[in-house]
Order: sequence, then C-alpha cells, then structure tokens
Amino acid sequence: AQSVSQHNHHVILSEAASLELGCNYSYGGTVNLFWYVQYPGQHLQLLLKYFSGDPLVKGIKGFEAEFIKSKFSFNLRKPSVQWSDTAEYFCAVRPYSSASKIIFGSGTRLSIRP
Amino acid sequence: GAGVSQSPSNKVTEKGKDVELRCDPISGHTALYWYRQSLGQGLEFLIYFQGNSAPDKSGLPSDRFSAERTGGSVSTLTIQRTQQEDSAVYLCASSRRMEGLAGDTQYFGPGTRLTVL
Repeated sequence: AQSVSQHNHHVILSEAASLELGCNYSYGGTVNLFWYVQYPGQHLQLLLKYFSGDPLVKGIKGFEAEFIKSKFSFNLRKPSVQWSDTAEYFCAVRPYSSASKIIFGSGTRLSIRP
Repeated sequence: GAGVSQSPSNKVTEKGKDVELRCDPISGHTALYWYRQSLGQGLEFLIYFQGNSAPDKSGLPSDRFSAERTGGSVSTLTIQRTQQEDSAVYLCASSRRMEGLAGDTQYFGPGTRLTVL
C-alpha cells in the first residue's frame, strides 16, 4: 500500500538552528509532493509543492524542499528557524495513478525554544 | 469569505446519535475533499468529489459514513450512529479542477472537531 513516512514525531530546536524534517514515500511512479503547515489554532496551509522540473523547491517563509527520486524522499529544510515556525508539518504525496487522493504523513510537531 | 468554511466548528454528541458536518468550498473550485485528522494519526482521506463525476468513496471507514455535494458546491458529511472512535477533527478541502498532469493545490477549511461521548 502507498504510504508516507515522517520520521520524527516531535522536533525541538532553539532559534537560529537549522531544520531538516524527513519525508519518505512508497510509490514507484510519478508523484506530486507537498508540505503543509498547521500553526497553532490555524488552518492547514500549503508551504510548498513539487510537480515537475527543478527538484529543489522554494516555499514561503524561507522553507525549501528537495525531491530525491532515487531515495523516494522530499525533505523539508530551513537554514535558520524562528520561534514563529512552531507548528505541525505534514508531508503529502499524490501518485498520478490515483490523482484524486493525496496521502498524508502523520505529521511532525516542531517546537522552537525562544 | 474567500476561504473554505466549515460548520459547526465544534460538535459534541452522544454515542449512537447522527451528526452532519457542512463544508462550503471556495467559489469556483470544482474539487472537494473530506479528511479526518485524529491525534497523532495524520490526515486520513475519506471522500473526494470532482464536478459531476461519481465521488471517490474509497476512504470512508464504514457504511455509517456518507457524504453528498449539492449543486457542485456545498457538501455535507453525515455520520450515523456515532461511535467514540469517530471523535476527530474533520477537515474539508477544495481545489480547482486538475489540468492534465499539472496537479492542483488543496485549500483547507478550519475543520469541525467532533467529540462523541
């Protein structure tokens, strides 16, 4: 079955630290890839997405993600986190063979110490 | 408003009762999705509507769950004979129709928090 794995359930960092959140998926074909963020008390919102082209994708608020097809990975990175990045982050994958369904990971809670 | 809206924001019900959750998608968005978000479980796909096509119901966990979308806009998710394990946040999302393999982006509503006592 297709699945999305987010390796870390809870990450705690200090401000200005670098961030990398892992995301791996199990599907051999073409995929669309997404990272969503849910700030405390707010809606899920799109952080960035990859459909095709340059595998290094830049999103809002200084986030970026790199699609490595050979590793089935789409890790999220930010060089220097801020307290306001405290949120839950969800990786999501949509295989072309089931284009209607986006499969979400279980999420990673990020806590930033001021 | 410009975003996806859902009502009610919170619903507390007793086991065995039926509940209806409503979603108003963004105007002009032909695709509508329902998800369930349980604590520590990520987002679980429930059902997907696209225009006039038959909905993809493959994610509905049991026949107690059903959804309809009237006039290609508002959608209602109905849970009959609620059980405690139905307690979760139910999220609705909408998107513009996909074009070829370009993909589309979902916009999420605030969710309805359902608590079954």
